[in-house]
Amino acid sequence: QKEVEQDPGPLSVPEGAIVSLNCTYSNSAFQYFMWYRQYSRKGPELLMYTYSSGNKEDGRFTAQVDKSSKYISLFIRDSQPSDSATYLCALGSSNTGKLIFGQGTTLQVKP
Amino acid sequence: DTGVSQDPRHKITKRGQNVTFRCDPISEHNRLYWYRQTLGQGPEFLTYFQNEAQLEKSRLLSDRFSAERPKGSFSTLEIQRTEQGDSAMYLCASSSGQLNEKLFFGSGTQLSVL
Repeated sequence: QKEVEQDPGPLSVPEGAIVSLNCTYSNSAFQYFMWYRQYSRKGPELLMYTYSSGNKEDGRFTAQVDKSSKYISLFIRDSQPSDSATYLCALGSSNTGKLIFGQGTTLQVKP
Repeated sequence: DTGVSQDPRHKITKRGQNVTFRCDPISEHNRLYWYRQTLGQGPEFLTYFQNEAQLEKSRLLSDRFSAERPKGSFSTLEIQRTEQGDSAMYLCASSSGQLNEKLFFGSGTQLSVL
């Protein structure tokens, strides 16, 4: 079993839709939860960072962490064509420099 | 541009050749990370440095791989006797503050081993 599971998609939605992206994990030692966005032929870019259960909002993006269920989500409101990219969840802990990334979900927002 | 810089962007080599990649982190960042990413997968951790000290290495980093960060500034990743399975995007990231907090990635070096 992989440490982090993420549905690779692809996910296609119309412009303006609410998008829900999810990851599940198995190791309860993870303390940091992140979402990165990666455009084609570019490096990942940090979108959201949190270390506690609950919701964190930043503009159109909301990150949700449920440690009891080992489940994290990223919601994108009013999705735009410019949101078309691969979204990667990443998890870390304080005793290692290693982040564990999900496989990534490819999102396409159609105008 | 004050982001993470990687050179070259693309490298094509023949099996058995040695290759070296360079990463210039954001200047005030004391931590530097190397990751490898293959098509359709998320990045996989290779190694990280705090200043000039290499503090952690993945078992993915076989004896053919070596990374250095002299004087805690730029870093190099060398692959000796390349194999076709080494074909991947090699990503460098840097950070400051707490471990694993807010990594800034470069655009990567795409390696193709023929």
